[in-house]
Formats: sequence, C-alpha cells, structure tokens
Amino acid sequence: DTGVSQDPRHKITKRGQNVTFRCDPISEHNRLYWYRQTLGQGPEFLTYFQNEAQLEKSRLLSDRFSAERPKGSFSTLEIQRTEQGDSAMYLCASSYHRADTIYFGEGSWLTVV
Amino acid sequence: AQSVSQHNHHVILSEAASLELGCNYSYGGTVNLFWYVQYPGQHLQLLLKYFSGDPLVKGIKGFEAEFIKSKFSFNLRKPSVQWSDTAEYFCAVNPLTGGGNKLTFGTGTQLKVEL
Repeated sequence: DTGVSQDPRHKITKRGQNVTFRCDPISEHNRLYWYRQTLGQGPEFLTYFQNEAQLEKSRLLSDRFSAERPKGSFSTLEIQRTEQGDSAMYLCASSYHRADTIYFGEGSWLTVV
Repeated sequence: AQSVSQHNHHVILSEAASLELGCNYSYGGTVNLFWYVQYPGQHLQLLLKYFSGDPLVKGIKGFEAEFIKSKFSFNLRKPSVQWSDTAEYFCAVNPLTGGGNKLTFGTGTQLKVEL
C-alpha cells in the first residue's frame, strides 16, 4: 500500500493555458475521487469514479474541466483555458467501496497567473 | 443539501489544555462520520471515524469523538493537547443513503498549541 500519489505537486501556469493532473489511487481501490480545496475552506467534491465509470459530477466542475479514468486505475483531471479562479489545491482520493474510508493524496497545487 | 458546520474556525490553546472541537451536520439518513487532520505542509490524514456501534470512538494520538445522533453532532476531544497537535482539523460526513457517496467537509478549524 503506497498511498494515493498525485503529479505534479505544484503547477504554475499562465491564464488560458491547459493543465493536466494525474492521480494514482491505492491499488485495488475501485473508487476514485477528485476534490478542490482553497485557502480557508474544506475540500469540495468535484467528481468520482467507480472503476472507469464517472458516476457523479459536481456543479463546480464547469465545461472546462474533464476527468478520465480510462482503465479503472489512474485518473487525470484536465483544466482547459485556465482562469485565475482555478487556483487551488486539487486533491485525489480513493476508497475500496462506497462505505469505506476515503484516503487522500498530497494534492496538486495550481497557481494561475 | 447536506452540510457540515464547524463552529470554531481558530482555536489557540496552551499545552496540556483540553480540546473540544464542535461539528454538526445536516443529514437525516445513515452517515459515516470522520475527522481528518492536516498538519502544516502535509496531506489530509484520517484521525478517526465512526461507522456504527459504540458512539464514542477513539482515534490516533489520543483523540476521541462522540457521535450524538439526536444532536447530529460529532465533536472531537482530546484531554491534553501537545504542541505537535498544531494543525487544521476537518469534520466530514459521508451519507450512505440517497445514492452516490462523497464526503462533505466542514470549513475546518485551525488549532494552534502554544508552549
């Protein structure tokens, strides 16, 4: 059990550019989640996958955001045409099943300048 | 929509003082309850959880929490805090009914323990 890993840990990008984050969940965890956290706030749910199926998306996930989990293992979160309001920590988490503990990665900090 | 309220946003204590952080949630169905902790520069870590059974649950580092169903509360306690407990603490709720499952977090409580 190597934990949830995320890459990159930090990303600085210019407004309008696209960015992609990768998440590798704990092996054998079939649920994978993306959250966003801004300073002074708790993490906010963005979306989650059961295996490769994306089962729920928050209204926070605008059309510029897309998440995939092509083979039910790692996942990517892409943000197109970044805006300054996208600056946040993007957290990935995983769990074995819906009633299990959700374990978080270290997060990917995004700064849009 | 479900929500989680943490009443104390910033708490400053001296070492050896007792700690209680409040957490209330608004959800009428069956829930799993969690406290996560985020130490400076580190990721969210599970402190303790309640799924069922004894409403008084014990976690790591001497923390405990009590689930009071009638009050929709899950308060975190520690009898004697240490400087190393300085961190941000998040209460979170995972509803088990109504479809889907995702954690809803409170806004967090920044705890500073002074020597």
